[in-house]
Amino acid sequence: AQSVSQHNHHVILSEAASLELGCNYSYGGTVNLFWYVQYPGQHLQLLLKYFSGDPLVKGIKGFEAEFIKSKFSFNLRKPSVQWSDTAEYFCAVTFSGGYQKVTFGTGTKLQVIP
Amino acid sequence: EAEVAQSPRYKITEKSQAVAFWCDPISGHATLYWYRQILGQGPELLVQFQDESVVDDSQLPKDRFSAERLKGVDSTLKIQPAELGDSAMYLCASSPDGSYGYTFGSGTRLTVV
Repeated sequence: AQSVSQHNHHVILSEAASLELGCNYSYGGTVNLFWYVQYPGQHLQLLLKYFSGDPLVKGIKGFEAEFIKSKFSFNLRKPSVQWSDTAEYFCAVTFSGGYQKVTFGTGTKLQVIP
Repeated sequence: EAEVAQSPRYKITEKSQAVAFWCDPISGHATLYWYRQILGQGPELLVQFQDESVVDDSQLPKDRFSAERLKGVDSTLKIQPAELGDSAMYLCASSPDGSYGYTFGSGTRLTVV
């Protein structure tokens, strides 16, 4: 069955540190890839998405992600985090075929220390 | 910016009672989803509508859960009877065509006591 894995469950960084959150999926076919963010007490918001084209995708708030097809990965990056980036981050994937539904990873909690 | 509306925001109910949640998607969005998010986990799809038709309810516990979208616009998710394990955040999302990422509502946090 198709699945999405986020291996980092809880990440703690100091402000200005660089961030990379891992996301891997298991499926050999066509995928659409997303990163969502959930700030404390708020609803899920779309950070960025990849459908085709340039595998390096830039999203809101300085985030970017790189799709590496050979590694089945879509890692999220930010060069310098801020305290306001403290949130939970979810990788999500739609797998080709039929009506597409989004399958979410289990999430990574990011805590940025001032 | 258009939003997905959900109500109520919070709901506390006793075990074995019935509970219902309402969702109004972004105008014109044909695809509507109900997700359940248990604390510490990612959202899990319960049911997906395309207009008024259910296209995926494989993860919906149909003995107690039901969902409808009668006119292809707003939707209701019902649980009867509620169980302690149903305590979770219930999220509604909509999409123009199911492929381009969702817009999520704020969710309904259900606590079953």
